[in-house]
Amino acid sequence: GQSLEQPSEVTAVEGAIVQINCTYQTSGFYGLSWYQQHDGGAPTFLSYNALDGLEETGRFSSFLSRSDSYGYLLLQELQMKDSASYFCAVISFSGGYNKLIFGAGTRLAVHP
Amino acid sequence: DSGVTQTPKHLITATGQRVTLRCSPRSGDLSVYWYQQSLDQGLQFLIQYYNGEERAKGNILERFSAQQFPDLHSELNLSSLELGDSALYFCASSPQTSGIHNEQFFGPGTRLTVL
Repeated sequence: GQSLEQPSEVTAVEGAIVQINCTYQTSGFYGLSWYQQHDGGAPTFLSYNALDGLEETGRFSSFLSRSDSYGYLLLQELQMKDSASYFCAVISFSGGYNKLIFGAGTRLAVHP
Repeated sequence: DSGVTQTPKHLITATGQRVTLRCSPRSGDLSVYWYQQSLDQGLQFLIQYYNGEERAKGNILERFSAQQFPDLHSELNLSSLELGDSALYFCASSPQTSGIHNEQFFGPGTRLTVL
């Protein structure tokens, strides 16, 4: 089957760095995406990794290790507005279709 | 504002009924995606259409169906509704290429309540 695991909650202070891990089990793996969702809002696409390594976009970076079935989202210089839920999502090919499976989400609370 | 519109914002209906949710993608986007988000199931990908054709499929129930019309708007039809179908339904769109990994722009969602 397919499964993703990420921590349910993470707490950090403003200005700090936080890493949200995601481990997955899936067949036909294509890549790993990350989404942000504020309470009451719609998800926002953050990043996509298909190859091993680190992708940097401003304060956010995403990492993938295909051999370890593991990825993470790194948030630097945390701001209060980064308090949100963060979802990792695996893209795979199965049963003749591309599929997108989301993790349960990690709730990040940033404190002053 | 992502440029993706969804109607209605809220929908309250009874078990056994059928509803249609509507989505208009961003101007120029050919791909439309549907998602369901509920407290117990989390965020689930349902289905993707690209330029009118089905391109990717997730855990969409047989009671649910979708289509994308020539003007690229999409509708998600939910029938024989059950209490467990109560959820937030998001539509998203993405630019020209059809890859499911592409950056997607989400609409504000339709909150469905089944009583």
